[in-house]
Amino acid sequence: GEDVEQSLFLSVREGDSSVINCTYTDSSSTYLYWYKQEPGAGLQLLTYIFSNMDMKQDQRLTVLLNKKDKHLSLRIADTQTGDSAIYFCAERDTGTASKLTFGTGTRLQVTL
Amino acid sequence: DTAVSQTPKYLVTQMGNDKSIKCEQNLGHDTMYWYKQDSKKFLKIMFSYNNKELIINETVPNRFSPKSPDKAHLNLHINSLELGDSAVYFCASSAPQETQYFGPGTRLLVL
Repeated sequence: GEDVEQSLFLSVREGDSSVINCTYTDSSSTYLYWYKQEPGAGLQLLTYIFSNMDMKQDQRLTVLLNKKDKHLSLRIADTQTGDSAIYFCAERDTGTASKLTFGTGTRLQVTL
Repeated sequence: DTAVSQTPKYLVTQMGNDKSIKCEQNLGHDTMYWYKQDSKKFLKIMFSYNNKELIINETVPNRFSPKSPDKAHLNLHINSLELGDSAVYFCASSAPQETQYFGPGTRLLVL
């Protein structure tokens, strides 16, 4: 079955760049997503990338996809304290059910 | 004008009780989902409905029964609640094979 792995914790200083990494196993995945969850809140869609793309940029967010290594990363430029949250990557299966398989989540802590 | 809404936001109840969580979406989506997030923040799909028809039913105890009265609503009924059911339950919706949008979650605590 699908398996999605992330490192559990990342600490960065305000103003630095953050890079959150994710590996997945399902080579037939079509879309890969990044969601953000702030404490006590729901899941906010940040961005997504289609599997035939290598990179996608959206303001401070850059997603890189290495399909050969099944590696996905999210770079946040100029990290702010408001970026402190848990970040989940997720892959969507190719069936009609379109379920998401989530990674374990990376807790990003931004320090002053 | 919330896109995906859930009620209640918090639910505290005793073991053995039966409870329901409601979900509504106003995005015009055909597909709706229930996910469970455990105490370690791990998220896993439970159910999915497309146009009121069940299409995903992961390994979930049959004490959990989803019901979709129309395509804008997907409710989750839980019988005989157990301590291990304590979690955050998220509803989501999407157009077929498109991006999923999540509700704010229902925090269930079973005592």
